[in-house]
Amino acid sequence: DAGVTQSPTHLIKTRGQQVTLRCSPKSGHDTVSWYQQALGQGPQFIFQYYEEEERQRGNFPDRFSGHQFPNYSSELNVNALLLGDSALYLCASSLEQGLTYNSPLHFGNGTRLTVT
Amino acid sequence: GIQVEQSPPDLILQEGANSTLRCNFSDSVNNLQWFHQNPWGQLINLFYIPSGTKQNGRLSATTVATERYSLLYISSSQTTDSGVYFCAVGEPGNNRKLIWGLGTSLAVNP
Repeated sequence: DAGVTQSPTHLIKTRGQQVTLRCSPKSGHDTVSWYQQALGQGPQFIFQYYEEEERQRGNFPDRFSGHQFPNYSSELNVNALLLGDSALYLCASSLEQGLTYNSPLHFGNGTRLTVT
Repeated sequence: GIQVEQSPPDLILQEGANSTLRCNFSDSVNNLQWFHQNPWGQLINLFYIPSGTKQNGRLSATTVATERYSLLYISSSQTTDSGVYFCAVGEPGNNRKLIWGLGTSLAVNP
């Protein structure tokens, strides 16, 4: 049973560049959420995708965008990178369960992004 | 918005000791999860426990939703239990978004 996989594991970019991170959900899951975790902090919710649509968004600027594909995999794109975007980016998958949206989250190992 | 507070912020144990971690939240929730983040950054879901008690090996958790707190018990701690333990709750009216505490950093010494 494949868990959540993310790629790449590490990435170094320069200010102003663009980056794309990728995530494949756990087998059987249909919902993907993205989180940003700064050093020493808890994860911060970026957005969630279900049925190829962004269903909920956290307090992140439009530079952060995403996509979900028909096979439930997802991408996170960040444009015009800032030094403050350096963080661990975590993808989590879950199973949509009706209107309550109650489902355990399963995380990938994350992508460590460094912006210089 | 809802506030999530975890205590203690830091904890040092000798191998074999027991501990209790606490999570207080400021509003009613119907989605509460405990996670362990190991020193390599991997986040593992320990419990999905909006109410009641669950046990998984040496770990157990209890959530008293009416009093807005949850407890995570670790018994006979091992060095592999080291890391940060996070409590996360669903934002009231919007369980798609989890609100996270700052975590309890646990170090278990041999």
